[in-house]
Parts: sequence; C-alpha cells; structure tokens
Amino acid sequence: DTEVTQTPKHLVMGMTNKKSLKCEQHMGHRAMYWYKQKAKKPPELMFVYSYEKLSINESVPSRFSPECPNSSLLNLHLHALQPEDSALYLCASSQEGLARYQETQYFGPGTRLLVL
Amino acid sequence: GESVGLHLPTLSVQEGDNSIINCAYSNSASDYFIWYKQESGKGPQFIIDIRSNMDKRQGQRVTVLLNKTVKHLSLQIAATQPGDSAVYFCAEKGNKLVFGAGTILRVKS
Repeated sequence: DTEVTQTPKHLVMGMTNKKSLKCEQHMGHRAMYWYKQKAKKPPELMFVYSYEKLSINESVPSRFSPECPNSSLLNLHLHALQPEDSALYLCASSQEGLARYQETQYFGPGTRLLVL
Repeated sequence: GESVGLHLPTLSVQEGDNSIINCAYSNSASDYFIWYKQESGKGPQFIIDIRSNMDKRQGQRVTVLLNKTVKHLSLQIAATQPGDSAVYFCAEKGNKLVFGAGTILRVKS
C-alpha cells in the first residue's frame, strides 16, 4: 500500500481564519513532507520531517506552521494567510528522509486551498 | 508536436504511438531521479526512478534514459494510451527533491 491521505480535499478560508491541513500514511515511513503547488507549476518543497524532527524549512513564512505528532501524521497549521497562498498543498512520505538518501517520495492527493 | 511558451510545454501524440518526454536537470550533484505523472485534481504519482550509476531503466511500457554528461533525462512511453494524458514531471534529488517545470502529454484518439 503506497497511500498517503490528506484532509480536507478542499478548503476556503478568510485571511483572519485559523485552519489545519492533515496528512496520514501507514507505510511505516519515517519522513514526511509538505509541498506547495501553484497552477501550472511544479511542486515546491516547504518542510521536511525526518523521524518526527523538522529537518528542512525552506524559508516558509511563519503563517504556515507544521507539526508532526508522530511518524504517521503530519499537520500544517494555517493562520493569517494571504490570497497569494491559494494553491494545492501536497503531503508526501518516504522511508527515511535523510539528505542524499535515494528513496522515492509518495504523494497524497492534496488539499486545494482558496484564501479570500 | 511540442510547444513552449507562457504555458507548460505540450506534447501531442496519436494513440498507439511512442512518446518521448525530455527534461534537463540543473544540479550535477543530483544522484537520483524520478518521473512523476500528475493527472488533473490529483497528486503526483510515481512512474519510474533511476540512480546516477545507471543510464537506462525499463518498466512496464516506460523507459527512462539518463545522460549525466549533458544533464538530460528522458521518459519514453510505448504505445501511448488515452489514460497516459497528464502532466509529467521529472525530479532530481541531491539533498532534497527538486521538480522540473513539467510537460503536458495529450493523447489523441
């Protein structure tokens, strides 16, 4: 089973709202990732967790706050977002997440976020 | 044919023909490469991967070729089917996974 699940599928929020995106995998992977994808663009890395520790933050604004409660779960807390943050947010997982480790990342279906 | 402009490059092929999607990568230190397929409204789906110590790898109906000298990767799809219509991304991994711009594949029936 190479399934990564994400909820919700769609989210509309105002600029003053607080919301959370959730991601789950049951493949026994120890690394989980958040990517942001704008229309007609490739996914761009935001955060990497390896063994439940934040290992990479790609200079993401603090209005995005990741959380990894355990190795199967990954959350992205959203607060005071801007309309330009509207995008598809993708979660992925892989076995280890170590730098230079040759391993495949498996992606979830994404959460389509619209900020009004 | 293939076109590049303000939009993603698009490759249009006839059903049953072979497709070749090309990708130029940027980091000579990258040692692992993956092709992903992304259908409308879905996340990227793993197709095939290749390590830098190889120059060719074959899967079911797909072949990936790697030319490290010119930093070029290609994906060949045999007997292209309508279900192959999607955006295809190459991705290179050094310390992290970096995606290429993507190519739209349109299959004409």
